[in-house]
Amino acid sequence: DQQVKQNSPSLSVQEGRISILNCDYTNSMFDYFLWYKKYPAEGPTFLISISSIKDKNEDGRFTVFLNKSAKHLSLHIVPSQPGDSAVYFCAASSDSNYQLIWGAGTKLIIKP
Amino acid sequence: DAGVIQSPRHEVTEMGQEVTLRCKPISGHNSLFWYRQTMMRGLELLIYFNNNVPIDDSGMPEDRFSAKMPNASFSTLKIQPSEPRDSAVYFCASTITDRSYEQYFGPGTRLTVT
Repeated sequence: DQQVKQNSPSLSVQEGRISILNCDYTNSMFDYFLWYKKYPAEGPTFLISISSIKDKNEDGRFTVFLNKSAKHLSLHIVPSQPGDSAVYFCAASSDSNYQLIWGAGTKLIIKP
Repeated sequence: DAGVIQSPRHEVTEMGQEVTLRCKPISGHNSLFWYRQTMMRGLELLIYFNNNVPIDDSGMPEDRFSAKMPNASFSTLKIQPSEPRDSAVYFCASTITDRSYEQYFGPGTRLTVT
C-alpha cells in the first residue's frame, strides 16, 4: 500500500511557464515533506521541504504548498527552465521516525 | 566538502557471484541509509543505521543481502549469491538525525547481474 503517491509519471511544460507537480499521502502522522530532484546517473538531491505547521514554503523559483485536510502537496516551479528537466520525488516523514517514505517520481520535461 | 561517496559506480557480475557495494557518508553525519531503485518498485529503503547500529532492516529483500557499518565513515552492502533480479541502482544516503530530515545521496552504484 503506497503511503505517498505521485500519480503523474510524466509532465511536459513549455519553458517559461509554470510547472506543477503533485503528491498525495495517506498517513496522517506524516509531519514533514520534502521534494527531491534527480538527474540521470546521479543521486537524488534535496530541493525544498515543508513542515506540517506551514501551508507554504518558498525558495526562489520553487514553492511547495501543503493542504493537510486533503493530504495533498504540490511543487510549483516558476518560471520553468530547461535545467529543471529531471525526475522529481516527493517524500514524507513523521517526527518519530527519520525514515523517508518516497513517491514513485514524476519526470518533468521542459520544452524549449 | 566531499559528499557521500559510493564505489564502484558500475558493477557487472555473473549470477552466483558475491557483490560488495561501499559507501562513505558525509563526515559528521550519524545516520546512513541504503536504497535500491528499480523501474518496477521505485526507490526502496533497504536498511537504516543510526550511530553505526542497524535500526531497521525490514526492507532487506532476503538473506542473500547483508549490510554492515563497522565505523562512522564506512558501510558495505553485500549480496551473496547475486541473482539477475538484483540488478538495480543502489544508493547510499546520510544525514544528521535529530537535526534534519534531509538526506544526502551518493551518486549510486549501477549493478548488473547477468
